[in-house]
Amino acid sequence: QLQLQESGPGLVTPSETLSLTCTVSGDSLSSYFWGWIRQPPGKGLEWIGSISYSGSTYYNPSLKSRVTISIDTSKNQFSLKLRSVTAADTAVYYCARLGTTWAPFEYWGQGTLVTVFS
Amino acid sequence: QSALTQPPSASGSPGQSVTISCTGTSSDVGGYNYVSWYQQHPGKAPKLMIYEVSKRPSGVPDRFSGSKSGNTASLTVSGLQAEDEADYYCSSYAGNNKVIFGGGTKLTVL
Repeated sequence: QLQLQESGPGLVTPSETLSLTCTVSGDSLSSYFWGWIRQPPGKGLEWIGSISYSGSTYYNPSLKSRVTISIDTSKNQFSLKLRSVTAADTAVYYCARLGTTWAPFEYWGQGTLVTVFS
Repeated sequence: QSALTQPPSASGSPGQSVTISCTGTSSDVGGYNYVSWYQQHPGKAPKLMIYEVSKRPSGVPDRFSGSKSGNTASLTVSGLQAEDEADYYCSSYAGNNKVIFGGGTKLTVL
């Protein structure tokens, strides 16, 4: 059974870089796309970006200048880096699997809360 | 790129039907048949309920159905049950490999 697990620091200092990793178990990263979605406390979902198994990346235009998503198929992991964070980046961050760029997010991780706080 | 527009809240009594709307533009909802709906219970990850406007993943009750007309998609929950009380989010492909979500609707079962 496919499982996704986010990991990374729960607290990030303003202006620093938020780094999260999603570890996938129960299936290979090959043949699918993988994405990051976030949800500020009490608010709605926001797509951050997606990456293909071959490493092609697609980003939310509003975050594109600060985001990098990468993939490591040897470790069955993909990662998110968000630079120059502010309090507005405080959110639960989810990783998810999708079939392609226009496909739905079929499987989700449990999410991890990242707080930007000095 | 604005979020899709959903009503903040919806409600219905057990056994009744309720419909949640999701309004976008011709560049997203109206332009593609790639609308999805997600259910989210408090403190939990979203769960896919409908994809490609009206398709249901395996395991999702047929009480959940989706449709689209022009730039507005809809999710209908028939035969409301207590466990349907949750937040519901729509999403749509928006071209150029972009995805957008709606603001979410809190469904209350009275």
